[in-house]
Amino acid sequence: EPEVTQTPSHQVTQMGQEVILRCVPISNHLYFYWYRQILGQKVEFLVSFYNNEISEKSEIFDDQFSVERPDGSNFTLKIRSTKLEDSAMYFCASSQVQTNEQFFGPGTRLTVL
Amino acid sequence: GDSVTQMEGPVTLSEEAFLTINCTYTATGYPSLFWYVQYPGEGLQLLLKATKADDKGSNKGFEATYRKETTSFHLEKGSVQVSDSAVYFCALRLAGGTSYGKLTFGQGTILTVHP
Repeated sequence: EPEVTQTPSHQVTQMGQEVILRCVPISNHLYFYWYRQILGQKVEFLVSFYNNEISEKSEIFDDQFSVERPDGSNFTLKIRSTKLEDSAMYFCASSQVQTNEQFFGPGTRLTVL
Repeated sequence: GDSVTQMEGPVTLSEEAFLTINCTYTATGYPSLFWYVQYPGEGLQLLLKATKADDKGSNKGFEATYRKETTSFHLEKGSVQVSDSAVYFCALRLAGGTSYGKLTFGQGTILTVHP
């Protein structure tokens, strides 16, 4: 059964460093999403991506964040200069169309020291 | 803004007990409602959904009914199993407008079922 994969499963970084979180969505899906969950808090929407551009973003998704689909399979989230408060579990998701079920990856735990 | 509120957790039950996890929402327009489940070490999986008022979503013995009058979507199961131990998330998605499929989640409820 097709699934969304994410790498790495756990990333530890120093404050101020850049990190790239990687996702491989399901191959025939067209919509891609990033969500995050700070420990003990709600899962929060960050951004949606369609047709090689951002279609919607939350107020969390500021200039420090960017997304890219560098090739036909990967979907990445870059944080340019990490802050302590960026420590969270980051989930990637994809769907065939915007109203279909979103399939989630297992998440990347980001720890900023 | 749109929001989802789940009952405070965690929830601990014995096998074969009845489960209810409460979920209420606030939304502009007419959202679709979802329950997602996350098993240890895995991503969120769609458990069930309902797209309009009075719809009942069901899967794997779990049920939830979309109640517009009480803005609720409570999750129920008549007899839980140890394998149901997981984190359960209630979520909504607005239909149409400027929404591109964004899900708004509740805080999640940890369910532990003991033999």
